[in-house]
Amino acid sequence: DAGVIQSPRHEVTEMGQEVTLRCKPISGHDYLFWYRQTMMRGLELLIYFNNNVPIDDSGMPEDRFSAKMPNASFSTLKIQPSEPRDSAVYFCASSPFGTGQGELFFGSGTQLSVL
Amino acid sequence: GESVGLHLPTLSVQEGDNSIINCAYSNSASDYFIWYKQESGKGPQFIIDIRSNMDKRQGQRVTVLLNKTVKHLSLQIAATQPGDSAVYFCAENAGGTSYGKLTFGQGTILTVHP
Repeated sequence: DAGVIQSPRHEVTEMGQEVTLRCKPISGHDYLFWYRQTMMRGLELLIYFNNNVPIDDSGMPEDRFSAKMPNASFSTLKIQPSEPRDSAVYFCASSPFGTGQGELFFGSGTQLSVL
Repeated sequence: GESVGLHLPTLSVQEGDNSIINCAYSNSASDYFIWYKQESGKGPQFIIDIRSNMDKRQGQRVTVLLNKTVKHLSLQIAATQPGDSAVYFCAENAGGTSYGKLTFGQGTILTVHP
């Protein structure tokens, strides 16, 4: 298995533009997570899905952020409009179980820079 | 504020030495803990986990110790190698209504000198 696949690896955009981050989880994993990593705040959970259904989105910063999982093999995180403070590394992770029962498998992340 | 934090942000050791990375957590309801390793440019990678009904668990060259009385977690790496150089995060899961949510600490940078 290729692991969790994220695209793009790097994204540079201007303030106000729409940004879409993509994730392909490991096949058979029922849970998908979106995390954001910054030096100031560390790794923060934004949202997670179970069987394509959003379970907890309390970590989503504001209405500019939205996430979807149209099927078991694909998820997107969208920021519209983007702002410089959104600059961070965004990680997608998947798991065969909830995090109370086992590890998360992380992708390599998307480095987002909003100018 | 952070519910999981690390006392030492950096740790430098010589190759072959044993390393100990510490973590304090504040949520007494947490029942599951994980250590992750993150190398530059990569996502976090699972090292070892432990449940709250245990106080010690061993893996290959790594041992995790859990002290629930003082809410402290540690990761011991035996015979540290240059390839162990990375940022190490502890994470906790409080279960219950927050099932599925891992809270990560800020991380400790481990540098292994050859």
